[in-house]
Order: sequence, then structure tokens, then C-alpha cells
Amino acid sequence: ETGVTQSPTHLIKTRGQQVTLRCSSQSGHNTVSWYQQALGQGPQFIFQYYREEENGRGNFPPRFSGLQFPNYSSELNVNALELDDSALYLCASSLKETQYFGPGTRLLVL
Amino acid sequence: GEDVEQSLFLSVREGDSSVINCTYTDSSSTYLYWYKQEPGAGLQLLTYIFSNMDMKQDQRLTVLLNKKDKHLSLRIADTQTGDSAIYFCAEVPYSGAGSYQLTFGKGTKLSVIP
Repeated sequence: ETGVTQSPTHLIKTRGQQVTLRCSSQSGHNTVSWYQQALGQGPQFIFQYYREEENGRGNFPPRFSGLQFPNYSSELNVNALELDDSALYLCASSLKETQYFGPGTRLLVL
Repeated sequence: GEDVEQSLFLSVREGDSSVINCTYTDSSSTYLYWYKQEPGAGLQLLTYIFSNMDMKQDQRLTVLLNKKDKHLSLRIADTQTGDSAIYFCAEVPYSGAGSYQLTFGKGTKLSVIP
């Protein structure tokens, strides 16, 4: 167990809706990264937060946004959901380079 | 650009060794990782190697790094049915800004035949 938790475990939304996913970091870790894993693919980097500031972003549109809180937990928000947003969303926490993943939130967009 | 390539499938008999291969393109990569993903689960960190090392051994796992050829391999000795999973190779390119972004391959599905 990594100590990284995510909620909810599963979620079903319809196109155009908005969703918020949550992540709690491993104790002592100040960096959180979010990844999207489509079916049959490797995870793709969305963005990273370090001490409440965005610290790197992958090739995702602005409707993907995030927050990190003073306790280093984090949220991923996705607006105007599209069918292609259906995926496993993974959160990872770290102190430096090595990232430890949570179990993920599986999002289905209908 | 950054790209990580892996073969998609590997099938081995229980008790044999498994070797999963990976190639990457970013020569600035500082750390290279192997993660394991079981069905419906998140990613479990198996092992990692720093780019100035050639080999790292951790119990049944051996990682070999050929930096000249940008080739990484993971050997699992005495493969067990519990090792059946998808294995991802990942690199962390040096960004200079302190941002550590993992770039993953598509994963190698290891099937262990009893």
C-alpha cells in the first residue's frame, strides 16, 4: 500500500457535465501529479502540483484544472465532459522524482 | 521528443525467467522506472534505476540499463502466476524546472502459464 487514496472509485457522468476527483497524498509528500489512462494505453501526464502551485502540465486542454491544498491533498476538475474523457484517472504523490500511485478513479462519460 | 516503446505481450511458463524490454528516446532521462498494474488497479512501483547505473538487482527483479542504446530491461526470475499483469516502463526526462513528469510506454502484458 502506498498510502495514496483517491475518491470516488467509480463515477458515471454525461457529456457536458463537470466532475471533481480527489486525491490524498502519502504522508510527507509535497507533490501531486495526475495522469489519465485510457483503456489499453499507458498513463498520460495531465499536470503536477508542488506546494499548491502548478508545476508542469501535459498536453491537455484548459478544461482540465486542478488544485492542491495546504495539506498537499489535491483535486482534478474536468469541465464540459466529452466521451473521450472516459478513462482511469490516477493520482501520484512524491517528495522528489519517484512517484507513488493511488488506486485510481474510473470515469465513464455517456 | 519523448517516446517510450515496449512490446505489447509476453507469455512465459511458471518457473521460467521473464524479460521485458523497453526503449526510450530522451537521453536526458535521469530515472527510469518499472511499474506493475493488475486488472482494475493502480500502478505499483516495482523498481527504478538512476541513469548513471548499469544494473540494479532487487530480490527476483533485475534491471539492466544500456544508456548508449537507450534500452531498459526488467528480468523476473522464477516467474509465478501472481506476476501476471501489465508492466510499464517509464522515464523522467530532465526538465530543469524541477517538474518530474513520467512518460510511460503502452505496457507489456505478461501472461504466466501454470
